[in-house]
Amino acid sequence: EAQVTQNPRYLITVTGKKLTVTCSQNMNHEYMSWYRQDPGLGLRQIYYSMNVEVTDKGDVPEGYKVSRKEKRNFPLILESPSPNQTSLYFCASSLRSGGVEQYFGPGTRLTVT
Amino acid sequence: DAKTTQPPSMDCAEGRAANLPCNHSTISGNEYVYWYRQIHSQGPQYIIHGLKNNETNEMASLIITEDRKSSTLILPHATLRDTAVYYCIVRVVIWGGNQFYFGTGTSLTVIP
Repeated sequence: EAQVTQNPRYLITVTGKKLTVTCSQNMNHEYMSWYRQDPGLGLRQIYYSMNVEVTDKGDVPEGYKVSRKEKRNFPLILESPSPNQTSLYFCASSLRSGGVEQYFGPGTRLTVT
Repeated sequence: DAKTTQPPSMDCAEGRAANLPCNHSTISGNEYVYWYRQIHSQGPQYIIHGLKNNETNEMASLIITEDRKSSTLILPHATLRDTAVYYCIVRVVIWGGNQFYFGTGTSLTVIP
């Protein structure tokens, strides 16, 4: 089944403790992206990747890192999480960057205390 | 600087057409308009996209004005399962990369 998977789905952590949220897709998609969703603000793009080893900042990249060493994986790294990064995070992928639909993962709900 | 603006909420009677508007007055010539919807806190689901021409698929129709500064998503026969938040999105090409700007969405409630 074609899908985007994220792990973990729920995470509660403390300020400053490094964490990684994994994202994987099995559709051989070139474009992958991370979004965060906060009440009243809709979804905002954090980082995106046009292909392997090609990543770029989205609208709200501060406090996050990403890597794209393999086509299927696009992990989101929080080196030193802070409470303002408490949010619902979505990973998405698409065959290419434009003119096609993005497939979204189920979301990761992160709480930083 | 919002790329898209949408009304925060709308109601629609079951079986009637739902018309959801979106303004994207700063859109450039090569920027697509996409529509997604989100039910509760699930991952957004693709509905339709377009560049200049009107588009139709099995889910909805997308009407884009000639000047491309606004568009309307039409759900022809709304059902209760269409109750969701609908996002109008612009894809912006920046230095060869592609960023997607979601608005804050319209919460559509379909009323029996």
